[in-house]
Amino acid sequence: QKEVEQNSGPLSVPEGAIASLNCTYSDRVSQSFFWYRQYSGKSPELIMSIYSNGDKEDGRFTAQLNKASQYVSLLIRDSQPSDSATYLCAVEIGNNRKLIWGLGTSLAVNP
Amino acid sequence: NAGVMQNPRHLVRRRGQEARLRCSPMKGHSHVYWYRQLPEEGLKFMVYLQKENIIDESGMPKERFSAEFPKEGPSILRIQQVVRGDSAAYFCASSRAGTGSNEQYFGPGTRLTVT
Repeated sequence: QKEVEQNSGPLSVPEGAIASLNCTYSDRVSQSFFWYRQYSGKSPELIMSIYSNGDKEDGRFTAQLNKASQYVSLLIRDSQPSDSATYLCAVEIGNNRKLIWGLGTSLAVNP
Repeated sequence: NAGVMQNPRHLVRRRGQEARLRCSPMKGHSHVYWYRQLPEEGLKFMVYLQKENIIDESGMPKERFSAEFPKEGPSILRIQQVVRGDSAAYFCASSRAGTGSNEQYFGPGTRLTVT
């Protein structure tokens, strides 16, 4: 089993809809969770970090963490074509600052 | 520019040559990470450094690859005797010191092409 798993997609949503991106992880001692966005040919850009169970909102983005289910998700409200990118989930195992990455979910927002 | 800086942005080397990739962390950051990303593959952790110390190099190939973060100057990722399989995007990220502060910010990357 891969340490961090994401559905590769592509996930296609119409403009204005909610995009839901999911990530599961295998290590129960994981402490910190991150969502990054990566446009083709560019570097990853940090969107959100989440450390505690529950929801964390930042503008149109909401991260949700459920440590019991080893599941973290990212919701994008009012999706825009500019949100079309690959979304990467990263998990810090323990407290050693080493991030383990999922392969990413490709999101396409259609005008 | 207060962001993470990497140079060169593009680097072409012939097989057997050496590649040196440089990374200057964001202002106020003392932790540096190097990642490699192959086309259609995920990010792979290579090494984590603080000033003058390698903290975790568990992702570094045992041969030909080395990294340093000297007291003065940028962090350097060095690849000796490059092979075609080393062609990839190499990203550097940095973060602040302290617990609970592992938000890593990425530089633009160096695209290495080995011919």
